[in-house]
Amino acid sequence: DIVVTQSPDSLAVSVGERATINCKSSQSVLNSSNNKNYLAWYQQKPGQPPKLLIYWASPRESGVPDRFSGSGSGTDFTLTISSLQAEDVAVYYCQQYYTTPWTFGQGTKVEIK
Amino acid sequence: QVQLKESGPGLLKPSETLSLTCTVSGGSISSYYWTWIRQSAGRGLEWIGRIYGNGDTIYNPSLKSRVTMSGDTSKNQLNLKLNSVTAADTAVYYCARAGYGGWGIVDYWGQGTLVTVSS
Repeated sequence: DIVVTQSPDSLAVSVGERATINCKSSQSVLNSSNNKNYLAWYQQKPGQPPKLLIYWASPRESGVPDRFSGSGSGTDFTLTISSLQAEDVAVYYCQQYYTTPWTFGQGTKVEIK
Repeated sequence: QVQLKESGPGLLKPSETLSLTCTVSGGSISSYYWTWIRQSAGRGLEWIGRIYGNGDTIYNPSLKSRVTMSGDTSKNQLNLKLNSVTAADTAVYYCARAGYGGWGIVDYWGQGTLVTVSS
């Protein structure tokens, strides 16, 4: 199985400041035949299911604010919230779908400082 | 707008069979890939498996010997069975859609249902 590891486990950021979450996979999730990284990001608020934010490592899902961006390739990826808002308080997960079983990171909790 | 709703017993005893139903509205189950994912404090988010409308399935090898997924196109429902449950199977179980051609991009989720295994 591909192991997906996020860092940090939690972070506290002031409103309006940048939040950066890292995600590392134990093997590359880049398909060289189509140059796509098989990695997604999700946001989960308390009592709710995860919500898709980013897929193929960087395109945003429809309706996701443009302060959320994804980057990276191969084994190292980043989710950036450019200007944190109060409503962004949540746990964020990355997930690889390069191979089955699809696997998720352990989550990063984002709070307001 | 696709909506999914899980239903089933919330409390099971060890060795019993977990049976959940997911009712889908706003889209035919025949036309998409669907997936079951569970979440627990100890294991985080864990992928259980994927099913296409015609019944084609892929399961997580860690659960494969105990899992069965199926679909009922007449009711537009998905079903999950997990045999011989233990306390380790206590989790919130989500049914969801694997959109974008069935790649593991989970774009619609149900609200989830908590299943507790306890004697």
